[in-house]
Amino acid sequence: EVQLVESGGGLVRPGGSLRLSCAASGFTFSNVWMIWVRQAPGKGLEWVGRTKTKTSGETTDYGAPVKDRFIVSRDDSKNTVYLQMNSLKIEDTAVYYCGTDYATRWVGSWGQGILVTVSS
Amino acid sequence: DIQMTQSPSSVSASVGDRVTITCRASQDISSWLAWYQQKPGKAPKFLIYAASSLLSGVPSRFSGTGSGTEFTLTISSLQPEDFATYFCQQADSFPFTFGPGTKVDIK
Repeated sequence: EVQLVESGGGLVRPGGSLRLSCAASGFTFSNVWMIWVRQAPGKGLEWVGRTKTKTSGETTDYGAPVKDRFIVSRDDSKNTVYLQMNSLKIEDTAVYYCGTDYATRWVGSWGQGILVTVSS
Repeated sequence: DIQMTQSPSSVSASVGDRVTITCRASQDISSWLAWYQQKPGKAPKFLIYAASSLLSGVPSRFSGTGSGTEFTLTISSLQPEDFATYFCQQADSFPFTFGPGTKVDIK
């Protein structure tokens, strides 16, 4: 069974940084592209970014609101994907979900989500 | 970015009702559309991809149709566990984008 467990969330000041982790189990992590999606309180879903596998060049893609501020990375030896968030803004406040890619286009499995609050 | 809209934004229905939700894309996305279900306080659940392909384990009362810019999700006979918010997502071009959601609640 696929399990994804996010950690590292919390309260951070505007302009600060935070790193989220997502520990994966139940599948061959190194073979799967990994995704981050967020959901602001009471709002809809927003694609944050993704990392491809080593065999796909381990390249990353980002949504426009986070491009140049957030970095998605992976450590296949630890079955973990990371989201490094820099220059945080109040509008980055959201529940952040990690997920597994399905057929390079969809989010197949989702973690339980972790709350990031950006506030002074 | 491709903009996604959904209608209605909410619908009240009873157990056994047929419910249809519409998702529209701001440009042609072929059949690159998925549907997710989200219950309060929980992560979304992947239901349908490529507009009409049901994930294994998803009840057959769920169905998806459409192509181009207009898509529908139909629940043929609403069950108590189906009360939730439903989101569409386009995967034609990056960044992939989601619709704003349609809440299905109890009449």
